[in-house]
Amino acid sequence: DARVTQTPRHKVTEMGQEVTMRCQPILGHNTVFWYRQTMMQGLELLAYFRNRAPLDDSGMPKDRFSAEMPDATLATLKIQPSEPRDSAVYFCASGLTVQPQHFGDGTRLSIL
Amino acid sequence: KQEVTQIPAALSVPEGENLVLNCSFTDSAIYNLQWFRQDPGKGLTSLLLIQSSQREQTSGRLNASLDKSSGRSTLYIAASQPGDSATYLCAPSQGGSEKLVFGKGTKLTVNP
Repeated sequence: DARVTQTPRHKVTEMGQEVTMRCQPILGHNTVFWYRQTMMQGLELLAYFRNRAPLDDSGMPKDRFSAEMPDATLATLKIQPSEPRDSAVYFCASGLTVQPQHFGDGTRLSIL
Repeated sequence: KQEVTQIPAALSVPEGENLVLNCSFTDSAIYNLQWFRQDPGKGLTSLLLIQSSQREQTSGRLNASLDKSSGRSTLYIAASQPGDSATYLCAPSQGGSEKLVFGKGTKLTVNP
């Protein structure tokens, strides 16, 4: 059963440190999404890619967040420098145009 | 900007009941609408996807309807089971794009 794989599952680090989250989308999916989930805001779209090209990153704080797809099997989301308000669960999802999005289990990030 | 409201926020029912979860959204010019379930500590699982041209979709005991003109969707769960306990999230797209906007969810508890 094909799955979206996210690493690490949990990350605790201190304020100011760089954080890198990785996502392996389902093979053959051409669209990759990054979401953030918090109790207060719920689920928010940060950025998404089609065929590895960024289509929209308007939901992402540009000064500290960056998202890339070095190749079709890897998407990364980086935060530098990290801040306590970045603490959240970050989800990656992949899909095909007009098909349901498939989510990974998320990276639970805590910034102290 | 698309805004999504889900009512009720929480629901507790005895096993075997049929139930309806409601979702309303402000922008009727959607591309599609998805219903997801989320189990604690897990990612989202897609339940049903309704294209903008469709009125409903069914999968097993689940049926989702869509009324674009009134900005409403409902998820009907027949003969509820304890395994249905989860948070259910409604996500219409934003305008004509694939970007999903999520409601805060309905937390369902089905008691044996």
